[in-house]
Amino acid sequence: SQELEQSPQSLIVQEGKNLTINCTSSKTLYGLYWYKQKYGEGLIFLMMLQKGGEEKSHEKITAKLDEKKQQSSLHITASQPSHAGIYLCGAGVMFSGGYNKLIFGAGTRLAVHP
Amino acid sequence: DAGVTQSPTHLIKTRGQHVTLRCSPISGHKSVSWYQQVLGQGPQFIFQYYEKEERGRGNFPDRFSARQFPNYSSELNVNALLLGDSALYLCASSSGTGRDDGYTFGSGTRLTVV
Repeated sequence: SQELEQSPQSLIVQEGKNLTINCTSSKTLYGLYWYKQKYGEGLIFLMMLQKGGEEKSHEKITAKLDEKKQQSSLHITASQPSHAGIYLCGAGVMFSGGYNKLIFGAGTRLAVHP
Repeated sequence: DAGVTQSPTHLIKTRGQHVTLRCSPISGHKSVSWYQQVLGQGPQFIFQYYEKEERGRGNFPDRFSARQFPNYSSELNVNALLLGDSALYLCASSSGTGRDDGYTFGSGTRLTVV
């Protein structure tokens, strides 16, 4: 079965600093999703990557999928307190019938101090 | 347009009781998936429904069941509650048309079993 490993598990940064979160898959990724979660709340969709080498940006957040499609990174530039939360990577995994479900990493907990 | 709606937001139940959680997908979406998120972990897939039919089921005991209604809303039922069922239950809405599906999550139902 496919597994996702996120690193680091937690991160504390000073406001204004850049940071990177990594997500490594045990198998080839066919769809990689990044979500943000405030503690105890639902998941907020950030970006989806599908093609090797693909890179997407939204405001100060950039996500990349490597050429081999087994690793993704999420980079935040000039972090702000509003970036604090849990960042989850999810992978689309096929099950019978050609449909897919999401499996998730354990998450990276980010704190941004003013 | 309303997003994914889940009810109730919080629930406290006693061991051995049963619980019903509800989800309304985004208008136009025909597929609903349920996930369980235990504190400190990523969400785990429970069920996926499309047009009232179960498409897939995760590794959960038969105490967990679900159904989808003609209006595409869904219920997750859990019988004979255990302390270990305490978690955030998330509903995800998607078009259900295939591999490239995007998933929109609701805010979740926080279930506490005492």
